[in-house]
Formats: sequence, C-alpha cells, structure tokens
Amino acid sequence: RKEVEQDPGPFNVPEGATVAFNCTYSNSASQSFFWYRQDCRKEPKLLMSVYSSGNEDGRFTAQLNRASQYISLLIRDSKLSDSATYLCVVNFNAGGTSYGKLTFGQGTILTVHP
Amino acid sequence: DTAVSQTPKYLVTQMGNDKSIKCEQNLGHDTMYWYKQDSKKFLKIMFSYNNKELIINETVPNRFSPKSPDKAHLNLHINSLELGDSAVYFCASSSDSYEQYFGPGTRLTVT
Repeated sequence: RKEVEQDPGPFNVPEGATVAFNCTYSNSASQSFFWYRQDCRKEPKLLMSVYSSGNEDGRFTAQLNRASQYISLLIRDSKLSDSATYLCVVNFNAGGTSYGKLTFGQGTILTVHP
Repeated sequence: DTAVSQTPKYLVTQMGNDKSIKCEQNLGHDTMYWYKQDSKKFLKIMFSYNNKELIINETVPNRFSPKSPDKAHLNLHINSLELGDSAVYFCASSSDSYEQYFGPGTRLTVT
C-alpha cells in the first residue's frame, strides 16, 4: 500500500464548479498534513496546511480525519487558474525528530475549462 | 531575489558521465533537501541536511552524493549516470518541519 494515496484524476470541471479531492495515508503516526500545488513544469508550492479542526482559505477548504487517516481538499467556484496538480503531503516524525520529511502523494490533476 | 535557485535548469548527458547540480537558498533556512520527481510524477525525498549535517538519507544508490559546504548551499553529485536517473531533481529548504520552499528544478536527461 502506498504511504500517501490520491486519485490521480484527471478531473475536468467547468469554471464555477465545486471539486473535491481525497487522500489517504497509511502511517497513523503521521503528524502534519498539507496540500501543495504544482503547475505544469514548475516546482511544488504550499497551498495550505491541514488541521484536525478543518481550515478554510478563501475558496479552499481542507479537512483531516485522523481516525480514518483521510485528508480532503474542496475547491469552490473553480477558476481557470486553479488548473494544476494538487499534491497531498504528509509529514512523518520518526524517532522523535522531525526535519520535514515530507511524503508526497502522486498528485491529482485538475483542469478547469471555460 | 530568488529564494531557492538551482543550476543548471536543464542537463542532457550520456550514460556513464559524472555531473553535479547546485542549489542555493537565501532564506536563511537551516534545512535543505533534494527530491527526485520521476516520469510518473512521484516526488520522493533523497537527502536532507540540517546545518550542514546529513539527517535524511533515503535508499538512494551511492552514486548520488550530496555535499553541503554551508547551510545556504546543498549540491548533488551523480557518478556513472544511468538511463533511470533521468528525472526532475528539486532542491528545497525549510526553517522548520512545515512549509518547504522548492527550487525551480533541474531536468536531467541521460541518453
């Protein structure tokens, strides 16, 4: 089983649509969680951190369910500029130390069309 | 005012050659990383240095050798390049275990 698993998509949605991405992780000791965004032929960039209480940043809402080891990202009112690959990322703290060893999912491709 | 920079951006070379990729960050971060993104787009950590000390060394062939002359630089040297080494290599840095800032990537093609 992959450490971080995502539906690779692709998701093709019209502008204005709401789209949700899901992610599961295998290591129950994982400590912090993120969504990164990667545009075509560019580097990944942090989109938002994910907290157990759920958090929102404008049109983006992220949620974490530790019991189910499940992370989600909801994008409302999709824009053309949201087209990108969305990477689910988990930070696992091994042996009491953590230096940001991030484990990435393979990414979910989103295309927003006019 | 580039935060994390890598050189070269593109690297085309033949099997068996030795090559280096350089990375520099001007963010004052203590920790730097090398990641490999293969053709299937999986991004996997290779190495991490904290204040010039190696702290993460994943299962990577020993043909790959990182070197950190100071905490702002982390270079990657690859010996005896193989076809399977073709990928995009990203450098990143962070000041804690949270947000990592990535460089623009080095696209390595081994022919």
